[in-house]
Amino acid sequence: DGGITQSPKYLFRKEGQNVTLSCEQNLNHDAMYWYRQDPGQGLRLIYYSQIVNDFQKGDIAEGYSVSREKKESFPLTVTSAQKNPTAFYLCASIGRSNEKLFFGSGTQLSVL
Amino acid sequence: DAKTTQPPSMDCAEGRAANLPCNHSTISGNEYVYWYRQIHSQGPQYIIHGLKNNETNEMASLIITEDRKSSTLILPHATLRDTAVYYCIVRVVETSGSRLTFGEGTQLTVNP
Repeated sequence: DGGITQSPKYLFRKEGQNVTLSCEQNLNHDAMYWYRQDPGQGLRLIYYSQIVNDFQKGDIAEGYSVSREKKESFPLTVTSAQKNPTAFYLCASIGRSNEKLFFGSGTQLSVL
Repeated sequence: DAKTTQPPSMDCAEGRAANLPCNHSTISGNEYVYWYRQIHSQGPQYIIHGLKNNETNEMASLIITEDRKSSTLILPHATLRDTAVYYCIVRVVETSGSRLTFGEGTQLTVNP
């Protein structure tokens, strides 16, 4: 079955550590997105990518980095510059035409 | 960006129709309206989307006003499992691609 896979489901970060969240899709979608969700809040856009080797900052990109070396993969790195990283992170993808935006099941990141 | 405005919360009696409004007064002619819902700490679930015409699927109906400045999601016979946060989203098309920006959503509570 086609879909989006995020891993790990839970992740813990130590102070000053960079951590990378994985997002893989086998839907042949061009566009991929990363969102952050804080408790009781809506989703905020971190980064998005329309094609391989290209990506744009969303509304809250500071302290995060991404890469898009393959169409299927869009990993998100939470750097040590992100001072408040504890949140639920969601990855999504969509095709060229007006199709559904598919979401992964999310990664809960917490700081030790 | 085309922003959306939704009421923060709504209640509905089980078995009755739930009508969730959304304002998107700055929407452009080629921007679709999407509706998603999210149950606590899960990835958002696609419900329906549309451009101009009213749409219906097995989950819901979407009514878009003629001027496209607002829409209503209708759950015809709400059940307790429909309790969730509902997001109305406009797909914004930019030169760098399309981005989807979520608002705060509406917390729908279906009461027995």
